Amino acid sequence: SQKIEQNSEALNIQEGKTATLTCNYTNYSPAYLQWYRQDPGRGPVFLLLIRENEKEKRKERLKVTFDTTLKQSLFHITASQPADSATYLCAHPNSGYALNFGKGTSLLVTP
Amino acid sequence: NAGVTQTPKFQVLKTGQSMTLQCAQDMNHEYMSWYRQDPGMGLRLIHYSVGAGITDQGEVPNGYNVSRSTTEDFPLRLLSAAPSQTSVYFCASSYGRKGTDTQYFGPGTRLTVL
Repeated sequence: SQKIEQNSEALNIQEGKTATLTCNYTNYSPAYLQWYRQDPGRGPVFLLLIRENEKEKRKERLKVTFDTTLKQSLFHITASQPADSATYLCAHPNSGYALNFGKGTSLLVTP
Repeated sequence: NAGVTQTPKFQVLKTGQSMTLQCAQDMNHEYMSWYRQDPGMGLRLIHYSVGAGITDQGEVPNGYNVSRSTTEDFPLRLLSAAPSQTSVYFCASSYGRKGTDTQYFGPGTRLTVL
């Protein structure tokens, strides 16, 4: 079955730098991937969706790429701010019924 | 719109007790689901519903029951609580069940079973 893997180690970066988070998948290439943000004590919030035939998707300071050869999606936050500190989850559709989530990567942006 | 609401926010149960976690959405979404989130495990699907009167099991359904009598409500019932059910529970809804549909999550219920 499809497996989503995200770096379990927290990512610490300095304010103003670009944060890059990785989402790897095994087996077949999913038709699309979704990225969510989760703050402590709150539910995940949708950020971006990228389709298999899209190399890149942007939304303000966020950028997502999808490399079917590497079986990987990268999530970038440019000019990062302390307010970007959160856990970021990637997810792919599971048999069309629900989303299969990765375990998430915690991002800490320090001033 | 209130979005997806969940009650209660916190709950402590003793082993063997039963309870119902409430979930409601006011977006007229067809699809609703329940996830549990445990440290190091990520979000795991418990049950889902593709419309009123239709429910099905997810990845970890044992010990939980659901029903969907209306479009708005999707309660999750714990029949006989066990310490292994200590977790944070999230309800989510989406317009449809396609993988491209955004899922809207509630604020979660933190459940502790002693």
